[in-house]
Formats: sequence, structure tokens, C-alpha cells
Amino acid sequence: EIVMTQSPPTLSVSPGEGATLSCRASQSVSSNLAWYQQKPGQGPRLLIYGASTRAPGIPARFSASGSGTEFTLTISSLQSEDFAVFYCQQYNNWPQTFGQGTKVEIK
Amino acid sequence: EVQLVQSGAEVKEPGESLKISCKGSGYSFTRFWIGWVRQMPGKGLEWMGVIYPADSDTRYCPSFQDQVTISADKSTNTAYLQWTSLKASDTAMYYCARTYSYGSGSYGYWGQGTQVTVSS
Repeated sequence: EIVMTQSPPTLSVSPGEGATLSCRASQSVSSNLAWYQQKPGQGPRLLIYGASTRAPGIPARFSASGSGTEFTLTISSLQSEDFAVFYCQQYNNWPQTFGQGTKVEIK
Repeated sequence: EVQLVQSGAEVKEPGESLKISCKGSGYSFTRFWIGWVRQMPGKGLEWMGVIYPADSDTRYCPSFQDQVTISADKSTNTAYLQWTSLKASDTAMYYCARTYSYGSGSYGYWGQGTQVTVSS
């Protein structure tokens, strides 16, 4: 099973600032990686698939990069609605696996 | 419009059986994988397994392999997650989700979640 490790666990950011979230895979997942956002009381929302492609309707301030084992999600100029928990997910191998999440909170 | 509508919240006692559902609409049900994801209270997302409704090809996370059964009914466009003997530790929110596109394993469409509470 591929283990996905996200860092940091919590990120405190002021509105308008940027944030960089990391996700590391225990073995290569090629570009078969997705990022999700989950707000309290809501289900997850797909932000990024294929490691770097924004899903429809996702603002351009969300960008992502990486391949193999190292991945990054960058949020430029955080808006109030962006504060949430973010998860990465690999779908290169069975079983698919999620990271443990990074909570982006208001500083 | 793609929609996944899950069955309502359940309260069960330990040892009881349960089957929750996820009805897809607005797309060709057989062409996309449907996965199940567990979220225990205050915790992260856990991938449980997935089914391809066209041929019922099913893959499980080893942690859930002998604990649950995933199935699908093509005639009603519905996927299911079932337990034969619930435990208190099964208390969680369960989401179904459809893959975003053919050939992708990312989940672009999610059900609203089914809260399962197991308590004596």
C-alpha cells in the first residue's frame, strides 16, 4: 500500500497571503495524484487531478505541480472561503490512498 | 447534471447488518467507477474500495476487505455498501464518489454522505 504523507499538518495563514502544501508518496505514483478541499460539514471537492490540472470551476489561484513522489499544492492570495482541510490522493495503484490532510486555518 | 444521492442516516446496534445506497443520475452509470470513502469523527478520508458497475469489478482496501461488501445494481443505477455485523468503530460518515472522467481515478462527483452511528 502506498503511504501518502502530507505536510505540514496545520498551516496558519493570513487572508491575502499564499500557502504551499506538500504531499509525498512512499513510492512513485507518476502523475496520478489528486487534491481535494473539504470544509466543515461538507463533502470533499476535487480541486486538482493528474497532479496539475484544475477541475472545472476551480479558481486559478489554486495551482499544483509534481510527479513521482513529490507534489505541491499552492494557493496564492488566500480568500476567506479557502480555509479548509486539503487532502491528496494517489490513484496509481490499488488500493488508492489518501494523505492525512493539511488544515489551512486563519492566522 | 451528474448527481449521487445517498440513503439517509442510520442508527444501529452492534452486531446488526446494514446496507447503504448511492444512486447515480445524469450520466451513464456503467461507465464510471464508484468508490466508497469513510470519514470517522474528526478524522481524515479513508478509501474503502471501488466498483465498476459495467462488470462489477471490485477492488478493496485490505483494511476493509473482510469488513464490508461493495456491490452495484445496473438496473437501478445504484451502488451499495454493506455490513453483516456492525461494530461501534464503524460509526462514521460514508461518502460515495464517482470518478471524474473515464480512465481517471480521481473523484469529481460526491454524494452528500451517509452518517452511520453504531451504539448500544
